[in-house]
Amino acid sequence: QVQLQESGPGLVKPSETLSLTCTVSGGSISNHYWSWIRQPAGKGLEWIGRIYSSGSTNYNPSLKSRVTMSVDTSKNQFSLKLSSLTAADTAMYYCARDRDSSSFFSDCWGQGTLVTVSS
Amino acid sequence: SYELSQPPSVSVSPGQTARITCSGDALPKQFGYWYQQKPGQAPVLVIYKDTERPSGIPERFSGSSSGTTVTLTISGVQAEDEADYYCQSTDSSGTYQVFGIGTKVTVL
Repeated sequence: QVQLQESGPGLVKPSETLSLTCTVSGGSISNHYWSWIRQPAGKGLEWIGRIYSSGSTNYNPSLKSRVTMSVDTSKNQFSLKLSSLTAADTAMYYCARDRDSSSFFSDCWGQGTLVTVSS
Repeated sequence: SYELSQPPSVSVSPGQTARITCSGDALPKQFGYWYQQKPGQAPVLVIYKDTERPSGIPERFSGSSSGTTVTLTISGVQAEDEADYYCQSTDSSGTYQVFGIGTKVTVL
């Protein structure tokens, strides 16, 4: 059973760059798609973007200018960088495995990591 | 940007049937998916490709699709089904994932 675990700083300052890592265990990161999704407290889910194990990416157009994703197959990890942070980026951040059935969906999620943007 | 519309809340008595609809212009071309999220927990996939149920999901959860609407049905609702339910699909290109606002199911 594949498991995902997010890691990164819980508190970041406005204007700085958030860096999160998702470690995949119980399976290989290769030949799969992987997403980042976030959820502000009390609000809905927002898809941030997706990376394939080869490194190809798709980003939410609303966040595209601030998002960079990367993958390290040797460590079975993928990562998210989100720049120019504001308080509006405060949220629970989830990593997930995506499946492609002619459209994408996330069938396995990490437990999430809470990120607060504050000075 | 593409949007999915679902009701913010649904209330149902134990043993009754709850139905949650989700509407979107691209749904005739793209599959709909449903996630259950309980407080303090990550979302869990309960329906994929409109009607398929992942292993381990109770049979009382079912999905259907008609035109621009997909529907999640919970038959014989139990207290443990109280949660937020999110529909998800993609834009017409099949690339960008979009979530509905979520529907809070309250078991009376």
